[in-house]
Amino acid sequence: KAGVTQTPRYLIKTRGQQVTLSCSPISGHRSVSWYQQTPGQGLQFLFEYFSETQRNKGNFPGRFSGRQFSNSRSEMNVSTLELGDSALYLCASSWGTGDSEKLFFGSGTQLSVL
Amino acid sequence: GENVEQHPSTLSVQEGDSAVIKCTYSDSASNYFPWYKQELGKRPQLIIDIRSNVGEKKDQRIAVTLNKTAKHFSLHITETQPEDSAVYFCASGGGGNKLTFGTGTQLKVEL
Repeated sequence: KAGVTQTPRYLIKTRGQQVTLSCSPISGHRSVSWYQQTPGQGLQFLFEYFSETQRNKGNFPGRFSGRQFSNSRSEMNVSTLELGDSALYLCASSWGTGDSEKLFFGSGTQLSVL
Repeated sequence: GENVEQHPSTLSVQEGDSAVIKCTYSDSASNYFPWYKQELGKRPQLIIDIRSNVGEKKDQRIAVTLNKTAKHFSLHITETQPEDSAVYFCASGGGGNKLTFGTGTQLKVEL
């Protein structure tokens, strides 16, 4: 069974640009969550999608957005990039029972903003 | 919102010794407490989790204990091995997959 796949693995952007990251969950998983990982702040929750709807949202500005498609694949978008957005962006999939459950993480997209 | 504190930030033990990592949480509505292990350059992987209706859970050399009254939970690794060297994160959740993570513990197991 294939794991969670994230593309691309690495991205380099400049301030003010926008970026789109992609996540394909494990087959059968309907929930996709996104986390930002930085050395200083650790892992911080961005949002969760289930059945194409945002089910939970963290405390990030509106520049961070996401969506989920009917096949459960998800994308997140960051507009007007800032230097502080440099981070490893991890997505995680799960069955989506509604309870907190085991998350399967992807390898992440390492975003560098210059 | 929820806050999770994790200690220590670094931990060095001799091979074969035990390691203990402690976390505290603030939201009494939290009911799910997972622990993730992240090796250098790799993805976080769940190693054990516990729900609030259970006080202790074991899986071979790994155990987690939960004290709901004190809002503490701990990870215990016995008979540590070099392959246990990694960063360990505790987390708490209260429904859905919005987890609040601790800041991580760098565990080093020395030969």
